[in-house]
Amino acid sequence: AQRVTQPEKLLSVFKGAPVELKCNYSYSGSPELFWYVQYSRQRLQLLLRHISRESIKGFTADLNKGETSFHLKKPFAQEEDSAMYYCALGKSSGNTPLVFGKGTRLSVIA
Amino acid sequence: SQTIHQWPATLVQPVGSPLSLECTVEGTSNPNLYWYRQAAGRGLQLLFYSVGIGQISSEVPQNLSASRPQDRQFILSSKKLLLSDSGFYLCAWTRGGLYNEQYFGPGTRLTVT
Repeated sequence: AQRVTQPEKLLSVFKGAPVELKCNYSYSGSPELFWYVQYSRQRLQLLLRHISRESIKGFTADLNKGETSFHLKKPFAQEEDSAMYYCALGKSSGNTPLVFGKGTRLSVIA
Repeated sequence: SQTIHQWPATLVQPVGSPLSLECTVEGTSNPNLYWYRQAAGRGLQLLFYSVGIGQISSEVPQNLSASRPQDRQFILSSKKLLLSDSGFYLCAWTRGGLYNEQYFGPGTRLTVT
């Protein structure tokens, strides 16, 4: 069965410090991984997907199939990065729901 | 462009009363539709999803049901609400096929008193 694990419920870092939000997945097939973010009083939105290999708002995430991980990283945290972050796993076919982790709340301290 | 709407935004209902939450998508056809409940510390719990009109898959047996009367309309219902039904309900859609990206609505905050 597919599973996504985000081991930290809460992560607090100081402004300017590096950030790493951990995500591990369990899936025997070819995974498609996403990071979603929910800022205060805003709807849940897609931050990035591994296929795109892009950097959004300074965040990057690399799919490591050997370690079955998809950690989200940013070299210098900003206060506006404070939000709830969810890692999600999809199958190669789009007709099944994404499997979400339980989320990590990132708090960036000034 | 595509947009997704949910209403109402907030709702306070007494125990034992019925529930109807509505979700509609604009700007696309034949989307896959999803209902989630979001709770602190428990993440996103998938409740129902639908790949077409009249096709509903239930992920968690509980006091809720879902229906899809039209292509871009998804309804979450209950005949008799329980206190444990309180929560934040999110509707989402995706194109389906090879596309996995899900797009979320603004959510409905339900409080059962």
